[in-house]
Amino acid sequence: KNEVEQSPQNLTAQEGEFITINCSYSVGISALHWLQQHPGGGIVSLFMLSSGKKKHGRLIATINIQEKHSSLHITASHPRDSAVYICAVNMRFGAGTRLTVKP
Amino acid sequence: DAGVIQSPRHEVTEMGQEVTLRCKPISGHDYLFWYRQTMMRGLELLIYFNNNVPIDDSGMPEDRFSAKMPNASFSTLKIQPSEPRDSAVYFCASSSSNTGGYGYTFGSGTRLTVV
Repeated sequence: KNEVEQSPQNLTAQEGEFITINCSYSVGISALHWLQQHPGGGIVSLFMLSSGKKKHGRLIATINIQEKHSSLHITASHPRDSAVYICAVNMRFGAGTRLTVKP
Repeated sequence: DAGVIQSPRHEVTEMGQEVTLRCKPISGHDYLFWYRQTMMRGLELLIYFNNNVPIDDSGMPEDRFSAKMPNASFSTLKIQPSEPRDSAVYFCASSSSNTGGYGYTFGSGTRLTVV
C-alpha cells in the first residue's frame, strides 16, 4: 500500500461543476501539500496545510488529521483547471489525479 | 525573483555518458530538493539538502547518481554512467524553513533522454 493514496485517478467534469479530489495517507504528518501540474509539465504549489482549511480563489483544501485525509475542492470548474493534481505528505507523493474539465 | 532555475531544459545523451543537471534555488531558500518523474513511478524524491547539507538521500536509486550543493545558490545532480532507464523529467525545488520546509517552488524541469 502506498503511503499516499489519491482518488480518483482520473476525473472528467463539465465546466461549472464542483470538483473534489481526495488524498489519504498512512504516515505521520508535518505538512500536506497540494500541487498542480499542467499539460506543459510545470508544477505549481497550490496549498500547504497541516490543519483546518485553506481557500484561494475557487480552490479550497481541507485536512482531517485524525482521519489522515485531505480533500481539494474546485468550485465552478473551468477548462483551464484541467491538470494533474498531486498530493504530497512529508515529501512522499501520491500518484496524482488527472482532471479534465470540458466546456 | 526568477524562481528556481534548472538547466538544461532538455538533454539527450548516449548510454554510458555522464550527465550533469544543474539547479539554482530561490535566493534565501534553505531547502533544496531533487525529484524524478516518470510515467511508471510518478514523482519521486531523490535527495534533499538543508543549508547545503544532504539530509536524506535514500531516494537516490543507485551509486551512479550523485548530488552536490557546494553553496546556497547552486546544486548539481550527476548520473554516471547514464542508462536508458534514467530517462525521465528531473525537477529541482526549493523552499524556506519559514514554511516548515514544505512551501515548494519548483523549477521547470530537465527532460533527460538516454538513448
